[in-house]
Amino acid sequence: AQSVSQHNHHVILSEAASLELGCNYSYGGTVNLFWYVQYPGQHLQLLLKYFSGDPLVKGIKGFEAEFIKSKFSFNLRKPSVQWSDTAEYFCAVNPGYGGATNKLIFGTGTLLAVQP
Amino acid sequence: SAVISQKPSRDICQRGTSLTIQCQVDSQVTMMFWYRQQPGQSLTLIATANQGSEATYESGFVIDKFPISRPNLTFSTLTVSNMSPEDSSIYLCSVEGLAGGPVLADTQYFGPGTRLTVL
Repeated sequence: AQSVSQHNHHVILSEAASLELGCNYSYGGTVNLFWYVQYPGQHLQLLLKYFSGDPLVKGIKGFEAEFIKSKFSFNLRKPSVQWSDTAEYFCAVNPGYGGATNKLIFGTGTLLAVQP
Repeated sequence: SAVISQKPSRDICQRGTSLTIQCQVDSQVTMMFWYRQQPGQSLTLIATANQGSEATYESGFVIDKFPISRPNLTFSTLTVSNMSPEDSSIYLCSVEGLAGGPVLADTQYFGPGTRLTVL
């Protein structure tokens, strides 16, 4: 079955530390990849996405993610986190790109707490 | 991106009753979806709400339990029928739209969610 794994369930960092959140998926075909973020009290927002082309994609607020096809991974990174990055981060995969899309398969989320 | 609203934002319901959740978008969109996020779990797609035809349900979800309407390109409802405590979840709608419009194709945008507690 198609699945998305986020190995870090809770991450605690100090401000200015670097961040990397892992995401692996199990699907052998063409995929669209997404990272969503949910700040406390807010709804899910799109952080960044990868459809094709340069495997290193940049999103909002200084986040970036790298698609490594051979590893079925799409890890999220930020060189220096801020307290305002405290949120829950979800990796999502759309297997089967083409036209108006279909289901998104979500990982279980990673709760990031940044200590000032 | 489009502005997506859901009503109610939260509700507490009794076992055996039904609740209808509304999702309104401020622009026309091609696709509307309904997801469920159970406590401590990730989002799971319930169904795709099709305008002018029956919704397309994912495995494990049925129309009798989760009837969906989509009368036009900006509005959809999800009903949670004959509720039990296991239906306590956050229910979210998402939308995906025409390329070049305010809501890009191939990217889903989410509403604020409806937090449902069933006693």
